[in-house]
Amino acid sequence: QITLKESGPTLVKPTQTLTLTCTFSGFSLSTTEVGVGWIRQPPGKALEWLALIYWDDDKRYSPSLNSRLTITKDTSKNQVVLTMTNMDPVDTATYYCAHSSRVDVSGYYRAFDYWGQGTLVTVSS
Amino acid sequence: DIQMTQSPSSLSASLGDRVTISCRASQTINTYLNWYQQKPGKAPNLLIYAASTLQSGVPSRFSGSGSGTDFTLTITNLQPEDFATFYCQHTYSFPGTFGQGTKVEIK
Repeated sequence: QITLKESGPTLVKPTQTLTLTCTFSGFSLSTTEVGVGWIRQPPGKALEWLALIYWDDDKRYSPSLNSRLTITKDTSKNQVVLTMTNMDPVDTATYYCAHSSRVDVSGYYRAFDYWGQGTLVTVSS
Repeated sequence: DIQMTQSPSSLSASLGDRVTISCRASQTINTYLNWYQQKPGKAPNLLIYAASTLQSGVPSRFSGSGSGTDFTLTITNLQPEDFATFYCQHTYSFPGTFGQGTKVEIK
């Protein structure tokens, strides 16, 4: 059974750095083709893809946020950490981590097939 | 980035109705298209991948079609638990952007 859970501060001040941790179980990030991604959702708005890290430490970032994001993994702890620098009120959102895998038999297609419950981060002074 | 545009942004429907949601990509994405359902206060749930393949456990009243740039999610015989917001997402390249969502409400 795959589960993921996000943790981190619920309130950060503008210009501060946000550090979020995704702790997961039921899979290993050392398994080929497995990844963990971060997605956020401002209140009442759409989902936004942020970053993804793969089993082989390949890392991908949203180009619009690339300079502010860092994603890392600790395979031994079953954790993925996302840091976002220079936080602004517009970064107020629910942040989700999700399991990414090849969902089809042929292995061509990926999806976020398991999600954490999300954590609301408010940016305010 | 590839932009994903959904239409409509919201719709009202009755129980038992057939509902169609469209998703258009700003460039061709073959069939690298996923659909998710999100209920209020909950994380999204994968419904369909590869444009038309139902994720395990998803009811057969959900179906997806399309390739290239134009895709459709269809729900037949709308049930009470189907009232939610639906998102498309491409996985053709990075970032795997999502559409802006389509909210299905009760008429």
